[in-house]
Amino acid sequence: EDKVVQSPLSLVVHEGDTVTLNCSYEVTNFRSLLWYKQEKKAPTFLFMLTSSGIEKKSGRLSSILDKKELFSILNITATQTGDSAVYLCAARSWSGGGADGLTFGKGTHLIIQP
Amino acid sequence: NAGVTQTPKFQVLKTGQSMTLQCAQDMNHEYMSWYRQDPGMGLRLIHYSVGAGITDQGEVPNGYNVSRSTTEDFPLRLLSAAPSQTSVYFCASSYDSSPLTRELFFGEGSRLTVL
Repeated sequence: EDKVVQSPLSLVVHEGDTVTLNCSYEVTNFRSLLWYKQEKKAPTFLFMLTSSGIEKKSGRLSSILDKKELFSILNITATQTGDSAVYLCAARSWSGGGADGLTFGKGTHLIIQP
Repeated sequence: NAGVTQTPKFQVLKTGQSMTLQCAQDMNHEYMSWYRQDPGMGLRLIHYSVGAGITDQGEVPNGYNVSRSTTEDFPLRLLSAAPSQTSVYFCASSYDSSPLTRELFFGEGSRLTVL
């Protein structure tokens, strides 16, 4: 059974701190790993990672994938209160039959205190 | 662009009632799917469709039906609502179901309470 585990499940830090969110996965026929940010409504796309060791960066957010150790991290530097959200990690596998093949973790609930 | 539009945003049902959650996308996406999100459970796939006329079951399909008569619309039907179906439902779409490159675009969610 495909599995994605995120840690920590919740995290409270002060504005300006740097945080690292973890995502480990066990999926058959792994193809890519995706990160989403979910505030009050729909998840919004952050990154998609397909290759090991190549950092993807967007402003203060960055992410990297390790396909040998089967994990990814999402870093947020100089955190702001607007970064408070649930961060979702999802691993995409290929079943060959057109199936979704996307397994989500339970999310990390990040709270940034002013 | 409107993206993925879900209606209604909120709904309260009594056990045994039926209803349909509507989902429409205007991005000409072939792939559409329905998820439910419950506390501590993450997002779980209910049903998906890889194109008009084609649907299939996901991880938790029991109690739900879908159809895909057009590329744009993918309604989710609850035939006889149960309290266990109390959840937040998300519709999502992507250009196709390619495993390599496609991100999912999500609707804003529909919060359903079954009493």
